[in-house]
Amino acid sequence: DAGVIQSPRHEVTEMGQEVTLRCKPISGHDYLFWYRQTMMRGLELLIYFNNNVPIDDSGMPEDRFSAKMPNASFSTLKIQPSEPRDSAVYFCASSLRGGTLSSGNTIYFGEGSWLTVV
Amino acid sequence: DQQVKQNSPSLSVQEGRISILNCDYTNSMFDYFLWYKKYPAEGPTFLISISSIKDKNEDGRFTVFLNKSAKHLSLHIVPSQPGDSAVYFCAASDPNTDKLIFGTGTRLQVFP
Repeated sequence: DAGVIQSPRHEVTEMGQEVTLRCKPISGHDYLFWYRQTMMRGLELLIYFNNNVPIDDSGMPEDRFSAKMPNASFSTLKIQPSEPRDSAVYFCASSLRGGTLSSGNTIYFGEGSWLTVV
Repeated sequence: DQQVKQNSPSLSVQEGRISILNCDYTNSMFDYFLWYKKYPAEGPTFLISISSIKDKNEDGRFTVFLNKSAKHLSLHIVPSQPGDSAVYFCAASDPNTDKLIFGTGTRLQVFP
């Protein structure tokens, strides 16, 4: 299996510009997660989907952030307009079922998208 | 408000010695605890987990200990190897929200 695939790997953009991060989850996984990694807060869960439906977006920092999952094999995280404080590594992850390990489940991460907003 | 805390941002250990990484949590309802390992420019990968009904789980050089009364868990790596140098994230599974909540990470450096 190819694993979780993210693009772009690196993005440098100017403040105010729109940023779109893309993710292809592992085939057959029902859940998709977007995390953001910062030094201060570690790995923060932004939003997650189950069967393409957003379940919990309470971690999305503000209205400038939005995420979609139009089908089982593709998701986007959009920031519009971007700000310097959005600079971070954004990870997409997927799992067969939710974050709990009640059935020996685990979450598989992509390699991340490094975003720098100047 | 951090529900999962890793108070040591970094740790340096000599090769062959024991590495002990610590993690504290606040929510007594967490049902599983996990450790993820992350190398630079890569995504985190699952390392080892423990159920809240157990107090120890061992997998080769890696052992996780859970102290529920203290809401504390630790990861022991014995013996430490240079290839273990990475950032280690502690995570807790919340069965009520179906979320995996991560700490801020501890950077482990194993030197020869």
